[in-house]
Amino acid sequence: ILNVEQSPQSLHVQEGDSTNFTCSFPSSNFYALHWYRWETAKSPEALFVMTLNGDEKKKGRISATLNTKEGYSYLYIKGSQPEDSATYLCAFFGLETSGSRLTFGEGTQLTVNP
Amino acid sequence: DVKVTQSSRYLVKRTGEKVFLECVQDMDHENMFWYRQDPGLGLRLIYFSYDVKMKEKGDIPEGYSVSREKKERFSLILESASTNQTSMYLCASSEDITSTDTQYFGPGTRLTVL
Repeated sequence: ILNVEQSPQSLHVQEGDSTNFTCSFPSSNFYALHWYRWETAKSPEALFVMTLNGDEKKKGRISATLNTKEGYSYLYIKGSQPEDSATYLCAFFGLETSGSRLTFGEGTQLTVNP
Repeated sequence: DVKVTQSSRYLVKRTGEKVFLECVQDMDHENMFWYRQDPGLGLRLIYFSYDVKMKEKGDIPEGYSVSREKKERFSLILESASTNQTSMYLCASSEDITSTDTQYFGPGTRLTVL
């Protein structure tokens, strides 16, 4: 069973704070790392797909980095807003998960207080 | 706009009942997935389908079956619901099954088995 871990499990920040959280995954046989955002009562939606070591992706105030050699990805949110409140999921796709099986972490639940 | 819909947002059933969860996608995607999500655990794959009438077991198929008679529709069946199947169920679809393919999710069905 592949181990994909996210930390912290939950996070409360004030509006305007910048924050970041971590996704750890197996460093061997890496193919891709996905980030999703899941707002309450909505569908999870894709944020980023990253494949190369050193990859950096950005979407507005949200960015992500990837280190495949040590097996981690960071998600950063600059100047958090209440609408950023959501659960952020990472998902790993590796050699052992062929057949389109993403292995998901348990998520980081972010709450941004106004 | 991409859309995955699930038949119910909330469902309450009794132990032993046969339960059908329906999922429909309008993107002409080949691949469809059923996951469940429980507190403290990542999304876990129950079954997926890569074509009409084709299915593959995911990581936790026990107690479930699936049906894909039409490309746009993927049903999850609980033959005899049990309390340990109380969970959030998410359906997803994707165009392809490579490592970088985004999965598009429905809003989820929260099933309670009494």
